[in-house]
Amino acid sequence: RKEVEQDPGPFNVPEGATVAFNCTYSNSASQSFFWYRQDCRKEPKLLMSVYSSGNEDGRFTAQLNRASQYISLLIRDSKLSDSATYLCVVNEGFQKLVFGTGTRLLVSP
Amino acid sequence: DTAVSQTPKYLVTQMGNDKSIKCEQNLGHDTMYWYKQDSKKFLKIMFSYNNKELIINETVPNRFSPKSPDKAHLNLHINSLELGDSAVYFCASSQDVSSGNTIYFGEGSWLTVV
Repeated sequence: RKEVEQDPGPFNVPEGATVAFNCTYSNSASQSFFWYRQDCRKEPKLLMSVYSSGNEDGRFTAQLNRASQYISLLIRDSKLSDSATYLCVVNEGFQKLVFGTGTRLLVSP
Repeated sequence: DTAVSQTPKYLVTQMGNDKSIKCEQNLGHDTMYWYKQDSKKFLKIMFSYNNKELIINETVPNRFSPKSPDKAHLNLHINSLELGDSAVYFCASSQDVSSGNTIYFGEGSWLTVV
């Protein structure tokens, strides 16, 4: 079983749609969680951290369920510029960040 | 002002050659990393150094040798390159991630072995 699993997609949605991505992790001792965004032929960049209480940043909402070892990202009112690959990232401790394989999002006009 | 810079950005080389990729960060971070992203886009950690000390070595072939002359630099030397080494190599740095600090990536080095 992979340490961090995501549906690779692609998710094809029209502008304005709401889309949700899920991620599961295998290490129950994982300490912190993030969503990163990676554009084509670019480096990954932090989108948002994920807190136990859930957190929101504009159109983006992240949720964490430690009992189910599950992380989600919700994007509301999708924009064309949201098209990218979204990477779920888990901190397993000892400075080790494990990346999921990413979920590709394509937002069309 | 680039925070994490790595060179070269593109590298095409023949099998059997030895090559190096250099990385520098000006963020004052204590920890630096090398990640490999293969053709399937899977981003996998290779090495991590904290204050010049190796703390993560993820079963990488010993043809890959990282070197950290100081905490702002982490170079990657690869001996006897193989076709399967073709990938994008990302350098990154962070402060203590256990405190929830984020990791910053360089722009990547595209290595093609022919």
